[in-house]
Amino acid sequence: GDSVTQMEGPVTLSEEAFLTINCTYTATGYPSLFWYVQYPGEGLQLLLKATKADDKGSNKGFEATYRKETTSFHLEKGSVQVSDSAVYFCALGRNTGGFKTIFGAGTRLFVKA
Amino acid sequence: DTAVSQTPKYLVTQMGNDKSIKCEQNLGHDTMYWYKQDSKKFLKIMFSYNNKELIINETVPNRFSPKSPDKAHLNLHINSLELGDSAVYFCASREREGHYNEQFFGPGTRLTVL
Repeated sequence: GDSVTQMEGPVTLSEEAFLTINCTYTATGYPSLFWYVQYPGEGLQLLLKATKADDKGSNKGFEATYRKETTSFHLEKGSVQVSDSAVYFCALGRNTGGFKTIFGAGTRLFVKA
Repeated sequence: DTAVSQTPKYLVTQMGNDKSIKCEQNLGHDTMYWYKQDSKKFLKIMFSYNNKELIINETVPNRFSPKSPDKAHLNLHINSLELGDSAVYFCASREREGHYNEQFFGPGTRLTVL
């Protein structure tokens, strides 16, 4: 079945460091891919998305490219801020008798000042 | 304006009790969901409704019963609460059309069963 695997956390970085959170997926066909972010005490909110191979999603300095050949959707940011501290979820979406989103386990990011 | 709202935000109750969580969305979306997030942040879908019709029902104990009185509301009733039901429950919605549409999440309801 469909699945999403993302790197285990927590990830601890200093402010202005480069961030990469790895995400790979298993799915048949062409799912949509998403990154969601969950700040402490809040619900998830969409960070970025990509709907087909080689698409690049970007938002707030974060970006991820849909790589079908490596079935990956790694999240990157060039310079993290303390306010980026949150849990990041990679996810895929498919229509299989109802649209279903499969989430990865989440990666907690701590950014130190 | 809150797009997806849930009540209550916190719910503390005893084992064996019956409780309900309410969800409302004002986005005009057709599809609504319930998710359970455990203490390790793992997020698992429970139910999905489209225009008041149940379309996804994952392996969830039948003590959990969703109810959608109209497409803007999806409530979750839980009978005979157990310790393992303690979690954060999130409601979400999305537009029906298009597989690339993202979901919009509510703020969550933290359920603690004592």
